Amino acid sequence: AQSVSQHNHHVILSEAASLELGCNYSYGGTVNLFWYVQYPGQHLQLLLKYFSGDPLVKGIKGFEAEFIKSKFSFNLRKPSVQWSDTAEYFCAVKGTDSWGKLQFGAGTQVVVTP
Amino acid sequence: NAGVTQTPKFQVLKTGQSMTLQCAQDMNHEYMSWYRQDPGMGLRLIHYSVGAGITDQGEVPNGYNVSRSTTEDFPLRLLSAAPSQTSVYFCASSDRTGTGFRTQYFGPGTRLTVL
Repeated sequence: AQSVSQHNHHVILSEAASLELGCNYSYGGTVNLFWYVQYPGQHLQLLLKYFSGDPLVKGIKGFEAEFIKSKFSFNLRKPSVQWSDTAEYFCAVKGTDSWGKLQFGAGTQVVVTP
Repeated sequence: NAGVTQTPKFQVLKTGQSMTLQCAQDMNHEYMSWYRQDPGMGLRLIHYSVGAGITDQGEVPNGYNVSRSTTEDFPLRLLSAAPSQTSVYFCASSDRTGTGFRTQYFGPGTRLTVL
């Protein structure tokens, strides 16, 4: 069975600091990888996704993620965060042989202080 | 396009009551799914559907029923509500690219409290 592990449950950082959120997955086959963001009181929005090709994926709002197949990781990064990046971030994995069944990590709550 | 819509936004039930959470999408997506979100547990898949007339169970299906009579609608029924079903429920639908991959788009959620 596939599983997704997010390393940190809570992260607090100051504006302009760099952000990196870890995500590791366990799955025996080829995967599609996603990062979703949930701003306070809102629904999940797709930040970025990896299907194939260049393992460095750029998403919206200055976020990027790198797929390292040998480490089963898909870490999310942003060089300089803003207060508006305060949100919960979810990593999700789907096997390419499954009909859209996403496996989510537990989420990381990120708080950016002014 | 309205995308994925859910009603109601909030609901309070008493133990043993039944209700239906509505989900609709106007993107002609084949795939639709229901998740519940609980603190510290991320989102867990309840039921999903790969097309009208086809549904299957996800990770936590007990206590919930679904049906898919049209492409647009995918209601989730709670048969006899229990406090353990207090959660935020999200509906999602997926597109398909030429290679068959899917990206899921989420609705705004329904916050359900069972007393």
